[in-house]
Amino acid sequence: QKEVEQNSGPLSVPEGAIASLNCTYSDRGSQSFFWYRQYSGKSPELIMSIYSNGDKEDGRFTAQLNKASQYVSLLIRDSQPSDSATYLCAVNMREYGNKLVFGAGTILRVKS
Amino acid sequence: KAGVTQTPRYLIKTRGQQVTLSCSPISGHRSVSWYQQTPGQGLQFLFEYFSETQRNKGNFPGRFSGRQFSNSRSEMNVSTLELGDSALYLCASSRDLNQPQHFGDGTRLSIL
Repeated sequence: QKEVEQNSGPLSVPEGAIASLNCTYSDRGSQSFFWYRQYSGKSPELIMSIYSNGDKEDGRFTAQLNKASQYVSLLIRDSQPSDSATYLCAVNMREYGNKLVFGAGTILRVKS
Repeated sequence: KAGVTQTPRYLIKTRGQQVTLSCSPISGHRSVSWYQQTPGQGLQFLFEYFSETQRNKGNFPGRFSGRQFSNSRSEMNVSTLELGDSALYLCASSRDLNQPQHFGDGTRLSIL
């Protein structure tokens, strides 16, 4: 199993829909989880961080964490064409000295 | 508040040369991490420094090295450059482990 796994996509959603991005991780002891957005040719931009089980909402973004299932997700409500980007899941891996490990990313395309 | 600053933004080198990249973290951030990003491999962790000490290291050859200064600024050096070293090199800073990392714009290195 890869340390952090994401579906590479592309995930295509119509404008105004909810986009659901998923991520699983291998280290059960991980405590910190992050979502980054990366536009083509740009550097990753932090959009959400989550540390506790449950949901965390910030504007149109909701991060969901389930440590028992080793699963973290990102929901984007009212998706806009400007949300089209690659979304990277990142996990601080305790088993690797808390190194931040990134998934390969999911490409999201929002069609107007 | 100024973000993470990386210099230079672009570099062109030839095989066998060496290169030094610079990173100035966000004020107050003591942890600096370096990543290599290529289309095929995604974001790969190089190393992380905190208070001038290397705390973690990725699986890269010894040609890749780094250091951190007392003002938290960091440099990364790659010696004996190879064609495969062509990539976007990203620096990220955070207050400490398990805290969100914020990325600079990166240095795009091309090896001819």
